[in-house]
Amino acid sequence: GNSVTQMEGPVTLSEEAFLTINCTYTATGYPSLFWYVQYPGEGLQLLLKATKADDKGSNKGFEATYRKETTSFHLEKGSVQVSDSAVYFCALIVGGGYNKLIFGAGTRLAVHP
Amino acid sequence: KAGVTQTPRYLIKTRGQQVTLSCSPISGHRSVSWYQQTPGQGLQFLFEYFSETQRNKGNFPGRFSGRQFSNSRSEMNVSTLELGDSALYLCASSLNVAGGPDTQYFGPGTRLTVL
Repeated sequence: GNSVTQMEGPVTLSEEAFLTINCTYTATGYPSLFWYVQYPGEGLQLLLKATKADDKGSNKGFEATYRKETTSFHLEKGSVQVSDSAVYFCALIVGGGYNKLIFGAGTRLAVHP
Repeated sequence: KAGVTQTPRYLIKTRGQQVTLSCSPISGHRSVSWYQQTPGQGLQFLFEYFSETQRNKGNFPGRFSGRQFSNSRSEMNVSTLELGDSALYLCASSLNVAGGPDTQYFGPGTRLTVL
């Protein structure tokens, strides 16, 4: 079946530290990959996406590269800010025209000044 | 362009009651999906509607149902509420461009508490 595995949190960092949140997937077919972010009390916001192997998604200083050989889509940011504190979800959709997102468990990030 | 809106934002119900949640997609989006978020199970897909037809369904009991109207607005209904139905219910819309999976845009959610 299709599934997403994320590193467990919480991840606690100091401001300006480097961030990596690991994400690996299992999929039948050729998925599109997404990172969503959820701030306290809010819904999900799309952070970035990649639709084919070696694509790099990027937004607001965050990056992730679609690695088909390692079935991974790790999220990175060079210098985190306190405002990046949130829960981050890795997700996939397997093609076919149907919009069923499969999510990882989420990783909570806490950034301290 | 306005985002996905969900009403109400908060609901408190008692066991055995039923509830209806509403979702208005981004203008021009034709696909609406619903998700349940709980601390224990995380984010789980409920169902997807496109052109007023349910075309995909997750593993939830028949107490969970939905529909979509001609203007793409969607409602979901939960009958005979159970304590375990307490969750954040998220709606997402997408364009549904032919030929590939769509990016889904989420609303703020409806927080349902069942007492």
